[in-house]
Amino acid sequence: GQSLEQPSEVTAVEGAIVQINCTYQTSGFYGLSWYQQHDGGAPTFLSYNALDGLEETGRFSSFLSRSDSYGYLLLQELQMKDSASYFCAVKDNQGGKLIFGQGTELSVKP
Amino acid sequence: DGGITQSPKYLFRKEGQNVTLSCEQNLNHDAMYWYRQDPGQGLRLIYYSQIVNDFQKGDIAEGYSVSREKKESFPLTVTSAQKNPTAFYLCASSIGGAQLETQYFGPGTRLLVL
Repeated sequence: GQSLEQPSEVTAVEGAIVQINCTYQTSGFYGLSWYQQHDGGAPTFLSYNALDGLEETGRFSSFLSRSDSYGYLLLQELQMKDSASYFCAVKDNQGGKLIFGQGTELSVKP
Repeated sequence: DGGITQSPKYLFRKEGQNVTLSCEQNLNHDAMYWYRQDPGQGLRLIYYSQIVNDFQKGDIAEGYSVSREKKESFPLTVTSAQKNPTAFYLCASSIGGAQLETQYFGPGTRLLVL
């Protein structure tokens, strides 16, 4: 089957850098997506990595290593508004749907 | 403004009742999805549709039904067969099934059982 693992909780202080890891097991791999969800809100798409390496979008970066079945989301210059849940996701092996991880709840402290 | 709308925001279901959750998008997206989210959990796929008049079961389809008669609309019915329906229901869309990594979500409907 397919599965994704990410830490359930991460805590960091304002202004710091935090890395949220995601490891995956899948028989067919197309790429790794990241979504952000504030409490009670809708998930919003953050990034997608199909190839190895780092993709940067402002304060957020996402990294993928296909050989290690591993990726991470890097958040820099943390702000209080970054407190949210972050989900990694992969396409299923038939490519027809997304499989989501359980989510990492990020708490940013002053 | 383009986007996805879901209604109602809150829905109460009585024992043995079927209820329908609305999802409409004006993004001209071909693919649409329904997810269920329980507290502190990830998203689980209920049904998805890659094209009008076609849909497939997701991982937890039992007790749910959908239709896709129009490109813009993908309503979800929670039937009385779904014994534990209390959850947050999210509808999403993507340009096409081939680009499902980038999904756009509606604001969600919170379903509660009376």
